[in-house]
Amino acid sequence: GAGVSQTPSNKVTEKGKYVELRCDPISGHTALYWYRQSLGQGPEFLIYFQGTGAADDSGLPNDRFFAVRPEGSVSTLKIQRTERGDSAVYLCASSLTSGVSYNEQFFGPGTRLTVL
Amino acid sequence: AQSVAQPEDQVNVAEGNPLTVKCTYSVSGNPYLFWYVQYPNRGLQFLLKYITGDNLVKGSYGFEAEFNKSQTSFHLKKPSALVSDSALYFCAVRDRRDDKIIFGKGTRLHILP
Repeated sequence: GAGVSQTPSNKVTEKGKYVELRCDPISGHTALYWYRQSLGQGPEFLIYFQGTGAADDSGLPNDRFFAVRPEGSVSTLKIQRTERGDSAVYLCASSLTSGVSYNEQFFGPGTRLTVL
Repeated sequence: AQSVAQPEDQVNVAEGNPLTVKCTYSVSGNPYLFWYVQYPNRGLQFLLKYITGDNLVKGSYGFEAEFNKSQTSFHLKKPSALVSDSALYFCAVRDRRDDKIIFGKGTRLHILP
């Protein structure tokens, strides 16, 4: 597969539970982004990785949200003590690199998270 | 702070007619500007971008967009709409000094046969 993949495609959980969402970027893409898209809204930036490190995590809404990318490829978004307001589609995107020379971001299909 | 406004929630156009989807932005420096399209049950797809140079940018599927610095606008256009163009369109902006992309709320485009 040449595109960005995300698993699971759908996740239903109960309030208070812990969830992990996975993103597999396009091979060779060093930049990886997580967004959250609520119903009727555009994607909202959460966090951006350049390689293994989080270059900008200013969009994470609170300390229940955390993301890792230990080997500079696959990333996992982790949400602790989920709340109903966390329900949304979580999008992942990757690009060749960031910095001065811009490359467009390629998006995965998203994970739809529903917190009951 | 960066922001993007898409003033129309929905745009209806008859097939074969020209279409315009409006976008205005606010950013402190010179922007990178983008349009993405989202089809049902599919991921966001890149349409086109403005980085520098010619204000008229051509992209995928016959779409184009015009960067207007004085009006801080980046409207999406197509000379002749197709029913298959029906989808959700997002305008986005990035400050050149930053890595974040800020998206608008989206405009749903309906092309009527």
